[in-house]
Amino acid sequence: EAGVAQSPRYKIIEKRQSVAFWCNPISGHATLYWYQQILGQGPKLLIQFQNNGVVDDSQLPKDRFSAERLKGVDSTLKIQPAKLEDSAVYLCASSLGTGLRQPQHFGDGTRLSIL
Amino acid sequence: DAKTTQPNSMESNEEEPVHLPCNHSTISGTDYIHWYRQLPSQGPEYVIHGLTSNVNNRMASLAIAEDRKSSTLILHRATLRDAAVYYCILRETGANNLFFGTGTRLTVIP
Repeated sequence: EAGVAQSPRYKIIEKRQSVAFWCNPISGHATLYWYQQILGQGPKLLIQFQNNGVVDDSQLPKDRFSAERLKGVDSTLKIQPAKLEDSAVYLCASSLGTGLRQPQHFGDGTRLSIL
Repeated sequence: DAKTTQPNSMESNEEEPVHLPCNHSTISGTDYIHWYRQLPSQGPEYVIHGLTSNVNNRMASLAIAEDRKSSTLILHRATLRDAAVYYCILRETGANNLFFGTGTRLTVIP
């Protein structure tokens, strides 16, 4: 089966600019996650969708970050305006459901560098 | 917050078994133990999970202590491709996400 697709693979922008990332989950996976991974740390959840509804966005900095999954399939994550501290890898993951035994399948991420 | 404790780093010789330990002394009866690994420049990859009994799959084995306060991920024959950061994660009832700590960086020596 095809894995989780993310684009772009790399992005370099200046602070205060805007940026958007795209994710296409594994076909049939109802649950989609966005994680932020800062260099040297483990990934941290930003937002979780179940189909096209938000399940958890408690860790999303809503003053600058937004995400949507309008048709319950692919998703976009946006940062506007970007800060230096947003330099990180943004990972998308999907799973069939939210059960405790369900593994999450990750894409290879978008590496964002803020100048 | 982190509910597992792992060594920061470990080394193994190629083609030898590797035992990666994880302590989770506050585990509750319904928490599942999951292991993921992250190769350089890639997203995390699911390895294995278990609840009470030892588990085997094509990638690894998971040995869970009888009191469930610790577990060990076993790679039976390390290859260079197994060099990665290994994360031990508790999946708790009602928790939506995976909490990744800092994991164990495994170096495989040729």
